[in-house]
Amino acid sequence: QQPVQSPQAVILREGEDAVINCSSSKALYSVHWYRQKHGEAPVFLMILLKGGEQKGHEKISASFNEKKQQSSLYLTASQLSYSGTYFCGTPSGGSQGNLIFGKGTKLSVKP
Amino acid sequence: NAGVTQTPKFQVLKTGQSMTLQCAQDMNHEYMSWYRQDPGMGLRLIHYSVGAGITDQGEVPNGYNVSRSTTEDFPLRLLSAAPSQTSVYFCASSPVGGDYGYTFGSGTRLTVV
Repeated sequence: QQPVQSPQAVILREGEDAVINCSSSKALYSVHWYRQKHGEAPVFLMILLKGGEQKGHEKISASFNEKKQQSSLYLTASQLSYSGTYFCGTPSGGSQGNLIFGKGTKLSVKP
Repeated sequence: NAGVTQTPKFQVLKTGQSMTLQCAQDMNHEYMSWYRQDPGMGLRLIHYSVGAGITDQGEVPNGYNVSRSTTEDFPLRLLSAAPSQTSVYFCASSPVGGDYGYTFGSGTRLTVV
């Protein structure tokens, strides 16, 4: 089952913050986050594991709420380079080899 | 260390033709997957493999075949191309377990006319 991302798109000014959510109707064991710039391949940002800690990457961090079956990606003091489409991915059936992605959230950061 | 290499980068096929998209990785990753990306649909899993000799279907497997005879290679075969298979195809690989994410190839843009 494909995870659901929200919002579908967000427009920010440089320096503003954003939150992208990813939820699933099934139990989550882990959540992956990727960023894809236009015309390029997706790039791995981080993985959140069940029972694990909140993780961070530069000014991008994420949390994982097992009870609510959701993860949130936090982008703090956004930069122009943060523009792109963000995807969350969750293993189907608990197998890391069967990674299913949401439809993505398009983030545009304006000067 | 080349990472994940996909060939070709661009391809135009006529309806009914067959072809193979190549994917190779030099990182000794056990997991390999094929995705297609269409506007507004995100990345949809076509087939995946958890090791040499082991493959399984993903979300949208119809019209595609895969095999995994070696750890390095994971080709995707289009049996009889249809316009609905016009898409960008990504191959990705990952080590087994732990805190590892997937490394994606640069993609193949396929147009079926």
